[in-house]
Amino acid sequence: RKEVEQDPGPFNVPEGATVAFNCTYSNSASQSFFWYRQDCRKEPKLLMSVYSSGNEDGRFTAQLNRASQYISLLIRDSKLSDSATYLCAVNSGKIYGGSQGNLIFGKGTKLSVKP
Amino acid sequence: NAGVTQTPKFQVLKTGQSMTLQCAQDMNHNSMYWYRQDPGMGLRLIYYSASEGTTDKGEVPNGYNVSRLNKREFSLRLESAAPSQTSVYFCASSRNQGGNYGYTFGSGTRLTVV
Repeated sequence: RKEVEQDPGPFNVPEGATVAFNCTYSNSASQSFFWYRQDCRKEPKLLMSVYSSGNEDGRFTAQLNRASQYISLLIRDSKLSDSATYLCAVNSGKIYGGSQGNLIFGKGTKLSVKP
Repeated sequence: NAGVTQTPKFQVLKTGQSMTLQCAQDMNHNSMYWYRQDPGMGLRLIYYSASEGTTDKGEVPNGYNVSRLNKREFSLRLESAAPSQTSVYFCASSRNQGGNYGYTFGSGTRLTVV
């Protein structure tokens, strides 16, 4: 099993739709979880952190399921501007001098929102 | 607030040439990283520097060297470029290695080796 896995998509949805992405991770010791957005030919940008209790930012909701080792991102009322690739990131859980190790990124899920 | 600045943005090299990619951050972050991104492969870690004065290999270090010049700057050097090193290179930084606050990426360098 790869360390971090995502469905590559593409997800093609109409404007206004609700879409959800999942990301599974293999290391149960992982402590930090994130969703990034990457536009075509641009750098990844942090969309939101994922907390144990779940968190919401406007139309975006992120959740963590430690028992099943996955994180999810829900986008409600999709906009054309949400079209991008969404990357999940999970820290490796390895302990180096007390730190939690590096972030490992999924390969991304491509979302295309159509009019 | 510049964040993470990478230079150059584009580069074309001939096989066997060398070059250094520069990266600087102004966020007082301790940790810095170099990734490459290829279609279908996602982001792959080349080298990282958990703190000033330390560097370590990532997933794909062969053919590269790095220097953490000071807390702000982390450079990536290709000694003898190969076509397989054609890629988009991203530098990133974080407050600490665990990335509790996530990573901030530079805008990338598109490198083509012919």
